[in-house]
Amino acid sequence: NAGVTQTPKFRILKIGQSMTLQCAQDMNHNYMYWYRQDPGMGLKLIYYSVGAGITDKGEVPNGYNVSRSTTEDFPLRLELAAPSQTSVYFCASSSGTAYPGELFFGEGSRLTVL
Amino acid sequence: QKEVEQNSGPLSVPEGAIASLNCTYSDRVSQSFFWYRQYSGKSPELIMSIYSNGDKEDGRFTAQLNKASQYVSLLIRDSQPSDSATYLCAVNGNRDDKIIFGKGTRLHILP
Repeated sequence: NAGVTQTPKFRILKIGQSMTLQCAQDMNHNYMYWYRQDPGMGLKLIYYSVGAGITDKGEVPNGYNVSRSTTEDFPLRLELAAPSQTSVYFCASSSGTAYPGELFFGEGSRLTVL
Repeated sequence: QKEVEQNSGPLSVPEGAIASLNCTYSDRVSQSFFWYRQYSGKSPELIMSIYSNGDKEDGRFTAQLNKASQYVSLLIRDSQPSDSATYLCAVNGNRDDKIIFGKGTRLHILP
């Protein structure tokens, strides 16, 4: 099993460009999360989903959008990239109700906005 | 707004000693508590979860939870250089499914 797969691993964007960070999991997990981590800081929750068709905002949702059309995939869309969105983005999944906080993380996507 | 507070460190501990990491949380109805370890440049990995008051032991790791004081801690016995990492505390409330992380404590084990 691959677990949680994120693509791309690295990306440089110009201010105002848009892009989508892809996240896929093969563990049949219902819960999926997107976090960002700035240097020397903890993880900030951007969006999360408890199942296909259901998404909700986290702590820092502004400037981002998500969709969850399948159980496996949870893409994160950045619209009109800004330097403040330079960060490492982590996607995570969990089995759900019984152990929602026991997260499996992808390897991360490092985004630089210039 | 839920908050999770940790001392950012660095916390320096001699090899073989006990490392003690602490975390406080603001949402009194939080139900689930987690410790993640993150090596530099890597993704976080779960090392302990605790759901009820008291101690939970797993090998060299012990998680302690005190809901009345809104406090959760992680003890690492017989610290090894490989334990040098950032330790992230995470909390889940029962009103929603958000998992909120603290800023993490950097731990450095001195050989």
